[in-house]
Amino acid sequence: DTGVSQNPRHKITKRGQNVTFRCDPISEHNRLYWYRQTLGQGPEFLTYFQNEAQLEKSRLLSDRFSAERPKGSFSTLEIQRTEQGDSAMYLCASSPGTGHHTGELFFGEGSRLTVL
Amino acid sequence: AQKITQTQPGMFVQEKEAVTLDCTYDTSDPSYGLFWYKQPSSGEMIFLIYQGSYDQQNATEGRYSLNFQKARKSANLVISASQLGDSAMYFCAMREFPSGAGGTSYGKLTFGQGTILTVHP
Repeated sequence: DTGVSQNPRHKITKRGQNVTFRCDPISEHNRLYWYRQTLGQGPEFLTYFQNEAQLEKSRLLSDRFSAERPKGSFSTLEIQRTEQGDSAMYLCASSPGTGHHTGELFFGEGSRLTVL
Repeated sequence: AQKITQTQPGMFVQEKEAVTLDCTYDTSDPSYGLFWYKQPSSGEMIFLIYQGSYDQQNATEGRYSLNFQKARKSANLVISASQLGDSAMYFCAMREFPSGAGGTSYGKLTFGQGTILTVHP
């Protein structure tokens, strides 16, 4: 039984470059979430997928951010023209959806982005 | 307005003692869920305990219990018999079920700012 997997775990990039993070949720989880966490703060919601449909995007998700979940399994989060303010931990979580009593989210270990 | 407030940036406790981490929340929805997560230095968020707004009894999970005071909108986490491995960041989170949503929610959680717990030997 594998948990939520995120790659890469760490990414250092120069300002202006594009980066892409991948998330593999727990199999059979149809709900997938992206969060961003800056140092010393709680995770902030970015976007949510149910299967392949992106049902909500936070205002935090600027035009430079795009997320996909093309086949309803893994998801990618791309940041174009990175800025230093994008430096953060990007957390992915999944959930089995309905029928799950507590509805907790299962998180991956995150992808830490440093923009120089 | 903050939906989840954790007023303790840091807490210290002696090993084997109990500690309470505070959490207050703000919602106008009658149906909601409250969660606590632990985040060790490795970064992974670990689910600890859940309390539903209609649950009559306070939730307990091993050494974790949730002191739910609905009228005061507080959901404090109590850790009994602290262990060195409990040293971590702890987050309180809420999931709302907006009225008119048919009692369903896609499960988005809103997190507080967190409390760093340090357990001393």
